[in-house]
Amino acid sequence: SYELTQPPSVSVSPGQTARITCSGDALPNQYGYWYQQKPGQAPVLVMYIDNKRPPGIPERFSGSTSGTTVTLTISGVQAEDEADYYCQSADSSGSYLVFGGGTKLTVL
Amino acid sequence: EVQLVISGGGLVKPGGSLRLSCAASGFSFSSYSMNWVRQAPGKGLEWVSSISSSGTYIYYADSMKGRFTVSRDNARNSLYLQMNSLRAEDTAVYYCASLAFDFWSSGGLDVWGQGTTVTVSS
Repeated sequence: SYELTQPPSVSVSPGQTARITCSGDALPNQYGYWYQQKPGQAPVLVMYIDNKRPPGIPERFSGSTSGTTVTLTISGVQAEDEADYYCQSADSSGSYLVFGGGTKLTVL
Repeated sequence: EVQLVISGGGLVKPGGSLRLSCAASGFSFSSYSMNWVRQAPGKGLEWVSSISSSGTYIYYADSMKGRFTVSRDNARNSLYLQMNSLRAEDTAVYYCASLAFDFWSSGGLDVWGQGTTVTVSS
């Protein structure tokens, strides 16, 4: 089955830039989506269609894509950004939805 | 207020069945495809199933095929997940959601229910 690969963890100091990558063979043909999840809460969409930011999501969140990798970038990381982040997309057939394994962002 | 309220979780024995319901309010439920997503304790998000706005088209994750059945009643603004032959590994928090990603249209609302816990244990 299709998989999206994320690093298990990323650590940055406050004010620095965090980059979380997500790799998958179908990403050149499928959009990437990003979710933020804090403990005990439902996921929150922070990026859609690779680089579109939903209303209410701070401008420090941005998305990009290159080949088989989509990247979520958080510029000027704040303590409140500490959370698990999941990418989401579909396989090449467009009939199978998949989440990446998740990346725990730690703000030092 | 846009809202999804899930009911029906609980404790069930291996091999047993459970039906989850998801009641939608505050948006045009019949216009959007819907999804079930689960999260095992301490683990990541796992897609379970998606159903188109009319209910005509349905997709399942491989591990759920043949055991889980998703359905919807647009007249009642409700989504359902019938889970049969449950296994210990089905233990998870189950979310219903209208995702920004949509197999059949340009996108959904991205609204998630609060989640309900399903525990499969003897």
